[in-house]
Order: sequence, then C-alpha cells, then structure tokens
Amino acid sequence: DTGVSQDPRHKITKRGQNVTFRCDPISEHNRLYWYRQTLGQGPEFLTYFQNEAQLEKSRLLSDRFSAERPKGSFSTLEIQRTEQGDSAMYLCASSIDENTGELFFGEGSRLTVL
Amino acid sequence: GENVEQHPSTLSVQEGDSAVIKCTYSDSASNYFPWYKQELGKGPQLIIDIRSNVGEKKDQRIAVTLNKTAKHFSLHITETQPEDSAVYFCAAPLPGTGRRALTFGSGTRLQVQP
Repeated sequence: DTGVSQDPRHKITKRGQNVTFRCDPISEHNRLYWYRQTLGQGPEFLTYFQNEAQLEKSRLLSDRFSAERPKGSFSTLEIQRTEQGDSAMYLCASSIDENTGELFFGEGSRLTVL
Repeated sequence: GENVEQHPSTLSVQEGDSAVIKCTYSDSASNYFPWYKQELGKGPQLIIDIRSNVGEKKDQRIAVTLNKTAKHFSLHITETQPEDSAVYFCAAPLPGTGRRALTFGSGTRLQVQP
C-alpha cells in the first residue's frame, strides 16, 4: 500500500493523558499536513510541514498540541493533557511540492477522550 | 471553514437525477478550488478541481463551475448513481498560510436513492 498511513486508527484515553499519533506520507511527497475533523464538519487545518520544517501552524491550535517531522519523512502529532473537546478525527495528508495541488489523505486517527 | 460556506448540508436525489452543491468564498485572491469526496471511515479524496483562469471544468459525470465575480463555485454531478452517496467538501486556499493549506466547507451529505 503506497498511500498515507496513520496509526493508531482509534485511541481512547482519559482526560489529562497525553496521546501521540503517527503519519507516514507517500514517500515522494515532501509536504505534510495535519487536519482535525469533528462530526458533521469539514477538515480544519492544524499545521503544515515542508520536508522537516514546520512552516505553518493554525493560530487556533492550543499549545498543548505539538507536531514534528524530524527527518522529513514520517510525522507525529502529540496532544498533552487531553480534554474532552479534543475528541475528533485527526487526519494527515501529503502532497507534492507545488503551490496548490491534490492532498492525499490518510484514513485518520479517531481520538475519544473520556 | 470560516472562509468557505457550503450549501446544502444534505441532499437527497433519485438515481439518474442531477445533484448540485454550491460554495462561496471570501478571499478574492483565491485561485484554486478543489472538491473532495469522503466515504464512511475514509479520508477525503480529490474528485475534481478548478483554477481561476477557467470558468468550467468537466470530468465525465462531474463538472465544476466558477464565478470569480460573485466568488462562488459549484459541483455538478449528472446521472447520479448509488455509489455517489458520500459527503462532499469544497475547499479554497486558506488565507494567512501563504495559500499552502486549504480551508474546507462544512460538507454536503449526498444520498442517491436507487
């Protein structure tokens, strides 16, 4: 399978715990995006990497959220001290380096905070 | 997303009929308008896109039209089939990110009745 893969697919945690999601983009794609999607809404932009550099971060993103892409390949998204409002689907997407173009999404990691 | 408004939120049609979904955007400098289809349990997938230098683009049963003056664009699906049932999202470049990221509409759930 050469698509975008995300792990885990589903995470259930208690409020206050930390969680980490991993994304493996399509190998030749150097742009990587994290989005969040809640029920009945469209994906909401969180952050964007070009290679290992984090170039954009939503101003709405809490400082409890941090993302890394240390070698310009896979990426991790960590949420510290989770809150019930963090419950959502976290989507990763990748694209080839161009100004705008097709985003290839993974199937997402669903977070449930109890 | 705050920069893209999408209507209707739900749409039910009979198999073989046409379906039209409309979006408006606020950033007059936007130049790229994709449409994504999301099936249950999967990430969104690009189905068609249009750039601002053209007014219409077709791909088999799917077409997108763009009115830059009015700042709206529409998705047209003709001869609908049950497998067209899904949630459809319009998107536009997200201002403030150098247009590297997309902002999505809230989605239209299309149900094609056999």
